[in-house]
Amino acid sequence: EAGVAQSPRYKIIEKRQSVAFWCNPISGHATLYWYQQILGQGPKLLIQFQNNGVVDDSQLPKDRFSAERLKGVDSTLKIQPAKLEDSAVYLCASSLGGHTSHEQYFGPGTRLTVT
Amino acid sequence: AQSVTQLDSHVSVSEGTPVLLRCNYSSSYSPSLFWYVQHPNKGLQLLLKYTSAATLVKGINGFEAEFKKSETSFHLTKPSAHMSDAAEYFCVVTIYNTDKLIFGTGTRLQVFP
Repeated sequence: EAGVAQSPRYKIIEKRQSVAFWCNPISGHATLYWYQQILGQGPKLLIQFQNNGVVDDSQLPKDRFSAERLKGVDSTLKIQPAKLEDSAVYLCASSLGGHTSHEQYFGPGTRLTVT
Repeated sequence: AQSVTQLDSHVSVSEGTPVLLRCNYSSSYSPSLFWYVQHPNKGLQLLLKYTSAATLVKGINGFEAEFKKSETSFHLTKPSAHMSDAAEYFCVVTIYNTDKLIFGTGTRLQVFP
């Protein structure tokens, strides 16, 4: 089966610019997650969707980050305006449902550099 | 609150020698624990998971981990390292009764020929 797809793989922008990342989860997976992985740290959850509804966005900096999952499939994560500290790898993951027994499958990530 | 501490940021071994990656956890409840591996430019992959069944958990690629409640540890081991094992390894705990993953800071494993 096809894995989680993400694009672009790399992005370089200047601070105060905007950027968007795209994620296509594994077919049939109801739950989708966006993580931020800063260099030298483990991934941290930004937002979780169940179908097209938000389950948890408590760690999403809502003044600059936004995410949507229209039609409960693909998702986009946007940053506007970007700051230097947003430089990180943004990982998308999906699972069958929001339960511990359901393995999360991760995409390859988008590496963002803000200059 | 649940958390994990990976005791080594870097581990270097020679090919064919044993691997030990150390992880201690903190949890008010009986935890669910995982090890994930991240190869360069690839997504995170689940190696193994512990969910209160057998304390010795076998995973993919010859890795295994033992849950020790008395020591609050979940160390990852492999009897014989292979060059392809070189990667970043993350110990992970879930928030009680949820699917929220809390990652450690990672251990980079280097394997020398």
